[in-house]
Amino acid sequence: GAGVSQSPSNKVTEKGKDVELRCDPISGHTALYWYRQSLGQGLEFLIYFQGNSAPDKSGLPSDRFSAERTGGSVSTLTIQRTQQEDSAVYLCASSLALDGETQYFGPGTRLLVL
Amino acid sequence: AQSVSQHNHHVILSEAASLELGCNYSYGGTVNLFWYVQYPGQHLQLLLKYFSGDPLVKGIKGFEAEFIKSKFSFNLRKPSVQWSDTAEYFCAVNSGGYQKVTFGIGTKLQVIP
Repeated sequence: GAGVSQSPSNKVTEKGKDVELRCDPISGHTALYWYRQSLGQGLEFLIYFQGNSAPDKSGLPSDRFSAERTGGSVSTLTIQRTQQEDSAVYLCASSLALDGETQYFGPGTRLLVL
Repeated sequence: AQSVSQHNHHVILSEAASLELGCNYSYGGTVNLFWYVQYPGQHLQLLLKYFSGDPLVKGIKGFEAEFIKSKFSFNLRKPSVQWSDTAEYFCAVNSGGYQKVTFGIGTKLQVIP
């Protein structure tokens, strides 16, 4: 079956612009996660959704970052007024709703802020 | 709060050498533990996981990991590495009843033919 997909695969933007990153989870997976992978930083947890709600937003780096999920499926991560330090690979993963279930990762969106 | 530390950031081995990658976590309660792998140009994927039961867990491609509760460790091992094991390996922890998974910084393994 289809895996987790993300779009765009690459995004180059100018500092100060807004960007929107999209994630399509595996069908039937109710949990969805966003991570950021920066050089030398490992995977940084940003936010997760259980259904359409986000119980934990503690990982979002600043109020410029927001995320939503509609219909229990597609999610978008929005970064407003991008800064150069936002440059990273943004990864999305999904899992079944159970505690600690395996996460299935998408290919990521490589964001470069000039 | 849970955290994960991986001791080796970059490991270089010759083929057939044995591998052990260290992983320690900090959380006193029930944990689920994972090793994920990212091969060059591929997605992150699960290598193995521990939820409960036998603390020695076997995963794909001959990898295994041992959960030692007293040491808060979940080290990854493989008796004889191959060139195709060249990848980045991430240890992760999830505390029971909570969906957030915390990842370590990753260990880049390079296997020389």
